[in-house]
Order: sequence, then structure tokens, then C-alpha cells
Amino acid sequence: AQRVTQPEKLLSVFKGAPVELKCNYSYSGSPELFWYVQYSRQRLQLLLRHISRESIKGFTADLNKGETSFHLKKPFAQEEDSAMYYCVLHGSARQLTFGSGTQLTVLP
Amino acid sequence: ETGVTQSPTHLIKTRGQQVTLRCSSQSGHNTVSWYQQALGQGPQFIFQYYREEENGRGNFPPRFSGLQFPNYSSELNVNALELDDSALYLCASNAGGGLDNEQFFGPGTRLTVL
Repeated sequence: AQRVTQPEKLLSVFKGAPVELKCNYSYSGSPELFWYVQYSRQRLQLLLRHISRESIKGFTADLNKGETSFHLKKPFAQEEDSAMYYCVLHGSARQLTFGSGTQLTVLP
Repeated sequence: ETGVTQSPTHLIKTRGQQVTLRCSSQSGHNTVSWYQQALGQGPQFIFQYYREEENGRGNFPPRFSGLQFPNYSSELNVNALELDDSALYLCASNAGGGLDNEQFFGPGTRLTVL
């Protein structure tokens, strides 16, 4: 079975502060992990995936297989980063598992 | 290039009825997936269709069924509706037949079962 846990339902930080959204997964094989984001009144969209190892909008995420984590980080949060973030696992063939999401609010 | 569209936007049904939700894929995409998102939860994968065949299924009973058409549009059918089927239903398309590709989501259909 595959499972994704996002322990924080709500997270608030001040503009310019670092932000880390936690994601832990449970899967016995080699997972593919993604972060999807939904801004207010917009559709769910891909933010980044672990295999591309790139920084998108200043966000990075490193897959840590030892800790089974894929935390999303940004050194300096901006107000436009306020959104709902979902950690997503593609493990067994033909299944995608979403976490329950973290609502990030960046305060001015 | 047009994005993923879904119809209807909202729907109200009563318990025991049947419902059909529709999705048009983004131009050039041959794969469509359906998700159920209950209030306060993340989306749950229902199934995926690739070239008109079911190509993966989540933990949903057989009363959830689907179709994909030659133009890659898709339908989600739910029989014998239950109160717990009330949710936002999302459709997503991608090019390439796999769930490891970027999913492009539609705006969703809000289903209420009374």
C-alpha cells in the first residue's frame, strides 16, 4: 500500500521567512514524488517533481529515501506563495496518491 | 490550445440515482484520469483511461465506471449514488499514457447527493 502524510493542515509564515512544508510517504519500492499547488480560484497544477531536481518559483524539494520524506522548502516566502499544497506519490503502476494538503498563508 | 473542461459545474442528485460527469481533455492529450475530492481532503484517484481502455484504478467500487472516446473526451458514471459520493470530481489529462507525466486538471464538478 502507498500512503502520503502531510502533518500540517495549516501553516502561516511571515513574508521573507523560510518555509518548509512537510511530506512523508510510505511505499516499499522506488517512488516518484511531486508537489502540486492550487492558488485561490485556480486549478490544481504541478509545481515540481523530484526527478527534475529543479527549483520552481524558488521552491525545492529533495527526496530522502532514508527518512521517506519529500519536504518542500523555500528560503524566503512571498505573499503570492499563499496556496494549498499537495504532496503526491506515484508508486505502484497506475496509481497516484495525494496527501491531504497543507494550506500555506504568507503574512505581510 | 484549450485546457481541460468539465461539465456540469454543479449537480444535485438523490440517493440511489445515477450520474454522468463529462470531461474534455486538453488538446493533444490521450490520457485522462478522474479523482474524487471530499471536503477538506486531497484528491483520491478513481481511475485512468488511455486510448479508450481503463489503465489503472484506485480503491473505488465497480459502481464507479468510465469511458473514453476516440476524441479522448471522457465520462465518469456513478450508479446507485450514496450520500458519501458528495464531493468535487476532478478530471485531469496528460500526454503519454502514464501517471508519472504532468497532470493538467479541470475545474471540477461539484456533486451533491441528498
